[in-house]
Amino acid sequence: DAEITQSPRHKITETGRQVTLACHQTWNHNNMFWYRQDLGHGLRLIHYSYGVQDTNKGEVSDGYSVSRSNTEDLPLTLESAASSQTSVYFCASSESSRRSGNTIYFGEGSWLTVV
Amino acid sequence: AQKITQTQPGMFVQEKEAVTLDCTYDTSDPSYGLFWYKQPSSGEMIFLIYQGSYDQQNATEGRYSLNFQKARKSANLVISASQLGDSAMYFCAMRGGVTGGGNKLTFGTGTQLKVEL
Repeated sequence: DAEITQSPRHKITETGRQVTLACHQTWNHNNMFWYRQDLGHGLRLIHYSYGVQDTNKGEVSDGYSVSRSNTEDLPLTLESAASSQTSVYFCASSESSRRSGNTIYFGEGSWLTVV
Repeated sequence: AQKITQTQPGMFVQEKEAVTLDCTYDTSDPSYGLFWYKQPSSGEMIFLIYQGSYDQQNATEGRYSLNFQKARKSANLVISASQLGDSAMYFCAMRGGVTGGGNKLTFGTGTQLKVEL
């Protein structure tokens, strides 16, 4: 069965370190997204991609970067981790067509703690 | 810009009763989609129901229905016959059309629902 997986699921890192969260989907979706979830804010968009070599900034992109070298993967990198980036991170993917309706799939989330 | 507002941070409902979770939205795009997701304490995002802006009828999925009032820009989730397993955080979200952000989802801040015996 097709799926979307995130790794690691839990990570503790130190301030200033570079961290990469992996997202891999086997739906062959062109669209991929990274969100962070914080209490009182819901989910906020960090970066997104509509295809290979395409990346775009979302609402809260400062301190994060992504790259899209293939259809399946959209890794999220925290260049220099800060305590404010302690959060739960969700990856999502969807079809390209706006008529795709509800075909937006989420990974299980990555819990990141920056100490 | 798109915006989703959920004004109920927390709700309580008795088991077997119906409950309505409020969601209002703002967009200038004529074409958009509205979603509700459930997030139990285990953390995963579970899709519940979807409503397209041009859909004539309110969406229903089992015990879930979406009360879509386009003129009021509201998309409330109705859960009938609440069960203990419905206790969770519920998020309303919107996907825009061509001018409204394309396939990106904008989320509300969520409503924590607690079902009591």
